[in-house]
Order: sequence, then C-alpha cells, then structure tokens
Amino acid sequence: GQQLNQSPQSMFIQEGEDVSMNCTSSSIFNTWLWYKQDPGEGPVLLIALYKAGELTSNGRLTAQFGITRKDSFLNISASIPSDVGIYFCAGQAYNTDKLIFGTGTRLQVFP
Amino acid sequence: DGGITQSPKYLFRKEGQNVTLSCEQNLNHDAMYWYRQDPGQGLRLIYYSQIVNDFQKGDIAEGYSVSREKKESFPLTVTSAQKNPTAFYLCASSISGYRRNQPQHFGDGTRLSIL
Repeated sequence: GQQLNQSPQSMFIQEGEDVSMNCTSSSIFNTWLWYKQDPGEGPVLLIALYKAGELTSNGRLTAQFGITRKDSFLNISASIPSDVGIYFCAGQAYNTDKLIFGTGTRLQVFP
Repeated sequence: DGGITQSPKYLFRKEGQNVTLSCEQNLNHDAMYWYRQDPGQGLRLIYYSQIVNDFQKGDIAEGYSVSREKKESFPLTVTSAQKNPTAFYLCASSISGYRRNQPQHFGDGTRLSIL
C-alpha cells in the first residue's frame, strides 16, 4: 500500500527550540491529519486540515495544508520534554475513505 | 468516558494458533478500522468497516479476518495463515466512513508476540 514521505525520520533537539516536519505525496489529498504517538500507546489526533492553504494552530503546534494539496507541515514552537514521541501525518484522498500514513518523525527533546 | 478500548494490552500466541483481538467503542461511531504497526514504519490498514454487517479488505488483509455484528465491536482474528503476526495492532473509529473529512480516533493498541 501507499505510504507518505515524511521527513525528517528523527530529530534530537534541545528544550525551547522550534521543530518543523513535513509530509509529501505524489497524489492530491483533500484532508491532512497530524497525530502524536507515545511509546506503547495509540496515536492521538493533534490537528486536522480540510482546505488547501489552511493554517491551523493547537497551542504550540501549527500545521498547514499545502497549496498544491500534496504536502503538509507541522511546526512545534518552544519544545518541552513532553513533546517527545513519534509524529505521524495522514492523508485522505477525495475518492476514498481510507487514510494513508507517513512513516513518522521521532522527536527527542533534551533538557 | 467515551473512547475506544482494545484488549488485551499484550497477547502471546503459539505458532499455528488463531488469536482474536478485541476492539470496543462507545462513541457511537459507524466506521471502525484495524491497523498493523511494525517498528520504524507507519500504520498499514488491515480491514475496515463502514457500517454494521459490512467490512472491506485493506492493504494487508491476508491472514486476518474480522466481523462486525454490532456497531460498537470490531474484533480482529489473526489466523495461523499470517506468517509474521508479531506487531502492534491498533483499532480506530470515525463518525462515518461514508462522509468525507471525518478524522479517525485510536485505541491504545494490542502488542502480539509469537512464542
């Protein structure tokens, strides 16, 4: 099955730094979702995007639906230790009910 | 509390045995999904159900079976035909599989290991 290209694969940053990650697809999506997964738990929805160009914030998190509808970005500002985890993007094409997931970005935050 | 409950958290299977993973939701969601997660990889769709008594194969359905007899329940059976069943299994649900733009919400997963 198709998977999205998500980068970077991993990030090691210091507390207080900002973080950026992105997902790209070869096909157009009409929905982009960003999830965070802690070890041994299920993914938790962070942000949902439904319109090309849309910019949505959730606290220190900001995500954007790319204007081409083939990419999405997630930014985390002023990172804190509890931001540690794996971040997944997921896209949904117009003619399907299924989500396609990225391979994840593993984030480590050092005090 | 509304949510998705997966049980058990950890499951061990002997080779050649079938095993069933439970997924229950009290969110009144119509659609339910099963995913498999392997280390360093994203989630891959096994089966999904948009409504009671109906389900479709996902990308990696071979060696798995499901049923959807009740709206709140979507059990997954890992059969002996699944040659590499060791993985983390995640169940999800969404308000409706037919309406677009409905985000999926996940349970906490079941980790299956082969003895």
